[in-house]
Amino acid sequence: AQKITQTQPGMFVQEKEAVTLDCTYDTSDPSYGLFWYKQPSSGEMIFLIYQGSYDQQNATEGRYSLNFQKARKSANLVISASQLGDSAMYFCAMREGPGYQKVTFGIGTKLQVIP
Amino acid sequence: NAGVMQNPRHLVRRRGQEARLRCSPMKGHSHVYWYRQLPEEGLKFMVYLQKENIIDESGMPKERFSAEFPKEGPSILRIQQVVRGDSAAYFCASSPEVAAQETQYFGPGTRLLVL
Repeated sequence: AQKITQTQPGMFVQEKEAVTLDCTYDTSDPSYGLFWYKQPSSGEMIFLIYQGSYDQQNATEGRYSLNFQKARKSANLVISASQLGDSAMYFCAMREGPGYQKVTFGIGTKLQVIP
Repeated sequence: NAGVMQNPRHLVRRRGQEARLRCSPMKGHSHVYWYRQLPEEGLKFMVYLQKENIIDESGMPKERFSAEFPKEGPSILRIQQVVRGDSAAYFCASSPEVAAQETQYFGPGTRLLVL
């Protein structure tokens, strides 16, 4: 089974609108971390937001928020007030035990913001 | 505080040559990870190292690939006798600790092209 599933290969959003990028995960470890990274066309991987499995509140970082639904094993990224610079690939990722040394990535969603 | 540094950013090799990719972790980070990203795919874990030790190399191909993180100097990912299928982006990441909540910070990547 896929550890991280991103079912949207591509998404379009109008500038200034909000967009939700889907991510579901699979783990039997009670302690895990969920991450979202942005990869613009220049290629670097930029950390956006983190959610811990024991966190009670949904994580927020500026215009990014993570809609964490533990029972459904989903960790959707919400970008509010989209900007042209948000056009990029977005990867959902998970870090789980034992060891927590490796991060497993989804295949990504390509987001294009339309002016 | 400089981020994770990788060099070279781009590397072109002919089939059969050796490729050496370097990574300097963020200051204060003693845990280094290497990932490979094939075109149109997410990142795949290769190896996790601490100073002078390989902790987990479960994602590394058994032949031609090796990694080290010496006491002094950067971490090196070495690919011997490169083949066209080695063409990919290779990312290095570092973290101060190893735990579910620890974010891995990525370098800009090295794009390897094998002719």
